Amino acid sequence: DVKVTQSSRYLVKRTGEKVFLECVQDMDHENMFWYRQDPGLGLRLIYFSYDVKMKEKGDIPEGYSVSREKKERFSLILESASTNQTSMYLCASRSDRGRSVSNQPQHFGDGTRLSIL
Amino acid sequence: GNSVTQMEGPVTLSEEAFLTINCTYTATGYPSLFWYVQYPGEGLQLLLKATKADDKGSNKGFEATYRKETTSFHLEKGSVQVSDSAVYFCALSDLNTGNQFYFGTGTSLTVIP
Repeated sequence: DVKVTQSSRYLVKRTGEKVFLECVQDMDHENMFWYRQDPGLGLRLIYFSYDVKMKEKGDIPEGYSVSREKKERFSLILESASTNQTSMYLCASRSDRGRSVSNQPQHFGDGTRLSIL
Repeated sequence: GNSVTQMEGPVTLSEEAFLTINCTYTATGYPSLFWYVQYPGEGLQLLLKATKADDKGSNKGFEATYRKETTSFHLEKGSVQVSDSAVYFCALSDLNTGNQFYFGTGTSLTVIP
């Protein structure tokens, strides 16, 4: 089974801090994603990466950056945390091998519930 | 563009009741369709998928059929259990739009004994 591991289940930080959320996958997947999940808004894509050192903006990249130095690890960075970034953050990975990429599911970690005080 | 619309929740059912959660989609190409489940405090888990028209995905007693003519992928279960209480997300993936998934907003299900 695919394992996507997020470094923290719960995290509390203060406004203005630089915050790092880490995600590691063990299936050699090419693609990795960061979402935030808020009540009534569902999942919103922040950034994704389709290869090492490659990144693409999602729907809500403002206030965030990412890093992918190794294939298995994808980090989300809050440059200067603000209270409106309090949320559940979900990391996912996906293979792009096989006959059709669109058939491949995304595999999720357990999420990091981040509170910014 | 691509989008997924799910029925509004929350849904509350008694144990052994029949479940339907409606999902309709809009896609520019030929999408693959997915249902995910999220139990309290956890991430999303793949429940089932269907990759072409008329395919039926099934898992753990849940089923969904890919209906191209009605652009729908409704989730059904004949007899729900308390342990099915969770949030359910419908999603699509379209090769024309690369690696992105499009998720519905989720439907919360509570099953009472």
